[in-house]
Amino acid sequence: QSALTQPASVSGSPGQSITISCTGTSSDVGGYNYVSWYQQHPGKAPKLMIYEVSNRPSGVPDRFSGSKSGNTASLTISGLQAEDEADYYCSSYTSSSTPLVFGGGTKLTVL
Amino acid sequence: QVQLVQSGAEVKKPGASVKVSCKVSGYTLTELSMHWVRQAPGKGLEWMGGFDPEDGETIYAQKFQGRVTMTEDTSTDTAYMELSSLRSEDTAVYYCATGGPRWPPDFDYWGQGTLVTVSS
Repeated sequence: QSALTQPASVSGSPGQSITISCTGTSSDVGGYNYVSWYQQHPGKAPKLMIYEVSNRPSGVPDRFSGSKSGNTASLTISGLQAEDEADYYCSSYTSSSTPLVFGGGTKLTVL
Repeated sequence: QVQLVQSGAEVKKPGASVKVSCKVSGYTLTELSMHWVRQAPGKGLEWMGGFDPEDGETIYAQKFQGRVTMTEDTSTDTAYMELSSLRSEDTAVYYCATGGPRWPPDFDYWGQGTLVTVSS
């Protein structure tokens, strides 16, 4: 069982917006502004999409945005495109003996 | 631009050890903090450990303590991850990943992955 909880799947139509949640505790998501989001296409290495809750690395479209409220972080993708169909993982720093944990992943389907 | 090139796929028997390499180019290994993440077939990502530049130490996930060793050869800019006492549940793609010398880490750059299969 992953330390961070994500929905197994979400879906949306092209042009729509979707949000993927990542729920932790006050020892991880809620306690630190060190939440990252990764996109992974089948057979490929993950790609960093958001770091430190809401920052986008260079080259990531501004359709991707991150936020956090309490113990839940969220990734929002607006103006969905076919190429956004992928698995998405959140990660967070934690105060536990394992300082970095990932969520279980969310499969995004673009209908 | 950082490039990470990993060694090829491995097949190991239960109880054996495996050592995966990750060659860095574009930067030197001393300019980065290398980490290792694995992904079992059809499963999610799992952080195994990596270098904490604030403490100057390699930190391992509790799950792998005593079974994993991460080392670096700065003369060849190559990082290594060795996992011992392999069992079938260790069958996974192993990635090296880095985002520069920061802690907590996040990962801008990833290797292509190395499939390790543990089977009798």
